[in-house]
Amino acid sequence: GAGVSQSPSNKVTEKGKDVELRCDPISGHTALYWYRQSLGQGLEFLIYFQGNSAPDKSGLPSDRFSAERTGGSVSTLTIQRTQQEDSAVYLCASSLQGLQNEKLFFGSGTQLSVL
Amino acid sequence: AQTVTQSQPEMSVQEAETVTLSCTYDTSESDYYLFWYKQPPSRQMILVIRQEAYKQQNATENRFSVNFQKAAKSFSLKISDSQLGDAAMYFCAYRSGNTGTASKLTFGTGTRLQVTL
Repeated sequence: GAGVSQSPSNKVTEKGKDVELRCDPISGHTALYWYRQSLGQGLEFLIYFQGNSAPDKSGLPSDRFSAERTGGSVSTLTIQRTQQEDSAVYLCASSLQGLQNEKLFFGSGTQLSVL
Repeated sequence: AQTVTQSQPEMSVQEAETVTLSCTYDTSESDYYLFWYKQPPSRQMILVIRQEAYKQQNATENRFSVNFQKAAKSFSLKISDSQLGDAAMYFCAYRSGNTGTASKLTFGTGTRLQVTL
């Protein structure tokens, strides 16, 4: 596609429910990143996918968080048993090869609100 | 671990004037990359400018330039001839040149820039 697409744009859920957030990267981009942006905070790294390599999951805050990337394209971030502190904007980005100096292309994010 | 600090939560500039946003970082690495990203109300982060640490020359992109002071670990962004469309959150970010940790960009907490008439 023309840009990184994320869905849904907004998600309201009840505490304890599971949610799935979707990211569709730019076609041909091998690297995909998930970040979390809490109110008044910077971006917190969650997970990174690069081609067929094992993902870097070092930023996932707990085992309630998981992500997968199917066929090297679309990625889904799943949060199980959501908590109020999970409320944030979840941003996805992609880049061509994952090189250190590469420009990241970001989606518009999913605003998650846990009631 | 690397940290990025933006000490100015908010800044204001008049249209056509110049403003400088501050960023400092802490690292023990010699090879790394620095970035400024802009986040308008649409939430979509956009790359403004980037700097390779091994380059002494400061990066410039049209009205945007940086003052990179490697010894001081400082990376400020200067916006000249400010325009209303420059109003946004600006984030400074660091990325290691070490391939083992290359996946992660570390961001500061951001500076909200207001542009007034």
